[in-house]
Amino acid sequence: AQKITQTQPGMFVQEKEAVTLDCTYDTSDPSYGLFWYKQPSSGEMIFLIYQGSYDQQNATEGRYSLNFQKARKSANLVISASQLGDSAMYFCAIDQAGTALIFGKGTTLSVSS
Amino acid sequence: DGGITQSPKYLFRKEGQNVTLSCEQNLNHDAMYWYRQDPGQGLRLIYYSQIVNDFQKGDIAEGYSVSREKKESFPLTVTSAQKNPTAFYLCASSKVGQGANEQFFGPGTRLTVL
Repeated sequence: AQKITQTQPGMFVQEKEAVTLDCTYDTSDPSYGLFWYKQPSSGEMIFLIYQGSYDQQNATEGRYSLNFQKARKSANLVISASQLGDSAMYFCAIDQAGTALIFGKGTTLSVSS
Repeated sequence: DGGITQSPKYLFRKEGQNVTLSCEQNLNHDAMYWYRQDPGQGLRLIYYSQIVNDFQKGDIAEGYSVSREKKESFPLTVTSAQKNPTAFYLCASSKVGQGANEQFFGPGTRLTVL
């Protein structure tokens, strides 16, 4: 069965600095997808970035990039130039045989000025 | 605008009562999902459906039921058999198939059992 582990319950960063949120996964499927979502205090889930297991390059979306190390089964999210609005909970997820997503327990990011 | 709507935003229920949470999408997605989130925790899958009139149990289906009579709608009923139903419930939808089928989420319903 797939599993996602996020070992950082909380992270603190100052504005304009970069921060890395860790995510490791476990799966026996050769084909899978990894997702990162942001959840502000309002509760909505916002899709940030996707990495496919066969993608040759690390995914990037604006200030978000994914440091994908397939052999180590890690998919860390890097946020560059942090902003106050980045304060939220961040979830890593893996797709379960192309159906539903398995989520980690999340990391709370706090950005200070 | 396309999206997912959930209603109500807040719901209060007395113990022993069944309650139904609404989820509607106009994204023309085939797949729909229900997740439960407890404070400070990740999302756990309750049920999902990839096609009308068919649905599958997730990891925590006990005490819940769903129906998928229309492509746009996937209501969730929290029954009196669910021992600890107070939680935040999120509905999502996605395309079906290979690739980056990101899930789009609704705004959620906060259920409190009194």
